Amino acid sequence: NAGVTQTPKFQVLKTGQSMTLQCAQDMNHNSMYWYRQDPGMGLRLIYYSASEGTTDKGEVPNGYNVSRLNKREFSLRLESAAPSQTSVYFCASNVMPEGSQHFGDGTRLSIL
Amino acid sequence: KNEVEQSPQNLTAQEGEFITINCSYSVGISALHWLQQHPGGGIVSLFMLSSGKKKHGRLIATINIQEKHSSLHITASHPRDSAVYICAVPTTSGGGADGLTFGKGTHLIIQP
Repeated sequence: NAGVTQTPKFQVLKTGQSMTLQCAQDMNHNSMYWYRQDPGMGLRLIYYSASEGTTDKGEVPNGYNVSRLNKREFSLRLESAAPSQTSVYFCASNVMPEGSQHFGDGTRLSIL
Repeated sequence: KNEVEQSPQNLTAQEGEFITINCSYSVGISALHWLQQHPGGGIVSLFMLSSGKKKHGRLIATINIQEKHSSLHITASHPRDSAVYICAVPTTSGGGADGLTFGKGTHLIIQP
């Protein structure tokens, strides 16, 4: 089983460029999440989707948009990248919001 | 909104030692999560617990709901246990429907 798959694994962007991070899960999970991880800050929730067709803002949503394309896929878009968005991005999923989360391997994103 | 404090931030120990990592949170919860992140970034869920104690191999997690405190113990520690250990709780008392709040992690190094 692939679990949670994130693409790409690494990306370098210039300030102002746009980019979409892709996430797909093959576990038939209902809920999906996007986090960012910065040194000394811990993981912080950007957006989440409790079920197909719904999305909600997390702790740090500014500068990002999301799309829950179907039950499997949840994408994160940076419309105009800024250096402050340099981070490691993790996608996660679970069967229900109260359950254990399964994480992807992360995307290392650098904005120059 | 829940606040999570982990201690210690860094811990270096010798192989075979008994390890304890602590986590405190501010808002009553339905369940607490312990996660492990190895160098290279992958995040794995170790435990989800709502009361008492859980054990998996050499890892033991305990929680005291009244004290809003949890501990992760590692018995007979081994260099392969070297990783960052992260505590996470639901952001609000809603049980995780609006995501998790994470501690900053405990960086554990086990020396041979």
